[in-house]
Amino acid sequence: EAGVVQSPRYKIIEKKQPVAFWCNPISGHNTLYWYRQNLGQGPELLIRYENEEAVDDSQLPKDRFSAERLKGVDSTLKIQPAELGDSAVYLCASSFARTLDEQFFGPGTRLTVL
Amino acid sequence: EDQVTQSPEALRLQEGESSSLNCSYTVSGLRGLFWYRQDPGKGPEFLFTLYSAGEEKEKERLKATLTKKESFLHITAPKPEDSATYLCAAWGAGTYKYIFGTGTRLKVLA
Repeated sequence: EAGVVQSPRYKIIEKKQPVAFWCNPISGHNTLYWYRQNLGQGPELLIRYENEEAVDDSQLPKDRFSAERLKGVDSTLKIQPAELGDSAVYLCASSFARTLDEQFFGPGTRLTVL
Repeated sequence: EDQVTQSPEALRLQEGESSSLNCSYTVSGLRGLFWYRQDPGKGPEFLFTLYSAGEEKEKERLKATLTKKESFLHITAPKPEDSATYLCAAWGAGTYKYIFGTGTRLKVLA
């Protein structure tokens, strides 16, 4: 069974540039999460989707971050414009439902903003 | 405010030297306590879920326990391949999100 796929794995951009990350969850998983993980820290939830609906985006900086999950499968997280403080690893995870199930994480996208 | 604190931040063990990692939590109405392992450059990998105080779960050299205030991850006779960052996360009532701790970086020396 294929795991959660993310691309790109690495991205280096200049500040004020836009950037997008893509995630393909495990087949059949209805719930999708985007996390941000700063160096030496645990992941912090940015947004959670139930199918195509964003049901928890309280931690998403909405002035510059946006996300979508068309057709309830793949998802894209965008930052525009990027700031130096956005440098981090962006993790995507999925689970079968919004139960207390384990979450399956992708390998993440390491973003460096110069 | 819900909070999860892990200690120590880093731990170096000799191969075969058993030890424990601590995860203290302040979460309203704990519904689940999760342990994950994270290797460099990878996403967290699920290890255990604990639901109630007194519960214990084991997997190979790892054993997780839970009390009303903290959880322990006991590592018995560790091997170098156990080297990783171990994260715990708590799931509180009325929410559907993890609160992660900052992790314990474990290094097991051969």
